[in-house]
Amino acid sequence: DAGVIQSPRHEVTEMGQEVTLRCKPISGHNSLFWYRQTMMRGLELLIYFNNNVPIDDSGMPEDRFSAKMPNASFSTLKIQPSEPRDSAVYFCASSLWAGRNTGELFFGEGSRLTVL
Amino acid sequence: DQQVKQNSPSLSVQEGRISILNCDYTNSMFDYFLWYKKYPAEGPTFLISISSIKDKNEDGRFTVFLNKSAKHLSLHIVPSQPGDSAVYFCAATPMDTGRRALTFGSGTRLQVQP
Repeated sequence: DAGVIQSPRHEVTEMGQEVTLRCKPISGHNSLFWYRQTMMRGLELLIYFNNNVPIDDSGMPEDRFSAKMPNASFSTLKIQPSEPRDSAVYFCASSLWAGRNTGELFFGEGSRLTVL
Repeated sequence: DQQVKQNSPSLSVQEGRISILNCDYTNSMFDYFLWYKKYPAEGPTFLISISSIKDKNEDGRFTVFLNKSAKHLSLHIVPSQPGDSAVYFCAATPMDTGRRALTFGSGTRLQVQP
């Protein structure tokens, strides 16, 4: 079975450039999450969707960050313009939520972003 | 303000001994707790969980203990194996969101020495 698929795995860009990270959740899952991993703060929740609708975006650091989920099988996280402090590993995760979860999320392998 | 805290960034133990990883939380609404394991260049994977109605859950070499009054949980690995070397994340979720999103700690890097 295919897990959560993220692309690109690695991205190196220059400050000021637009970055788009992509995620394909596990088929049948109805919740999708974007997390960011840094050394200082560990795994931070940026935003999550349920049935393609954003539920909580309070973790999105600034207006430079935006996320969309146009359909059940695809989501993007966009940073425009990017800054060096955005350098991190960005994880996408999905789960099947049916009113109440066990809480288990399934993670992709992550997209490592380096902004020079 | 971190609601889930892992105060030990790293831990080193000898193969065959016990590894104890600790986690503290501040949000009283958290009612379900999980541990995830992460190898380099991979995403975190689920390891073990515990509901707030229990104080212990065991799965093979892994046992999680929950002390609600102290808002503290721990993961015990016995015996530790070199393949257990990884970063371990503690996570929690509150019932009032239907347990939809997890709040993670900053992780503890475990190194098991052969």
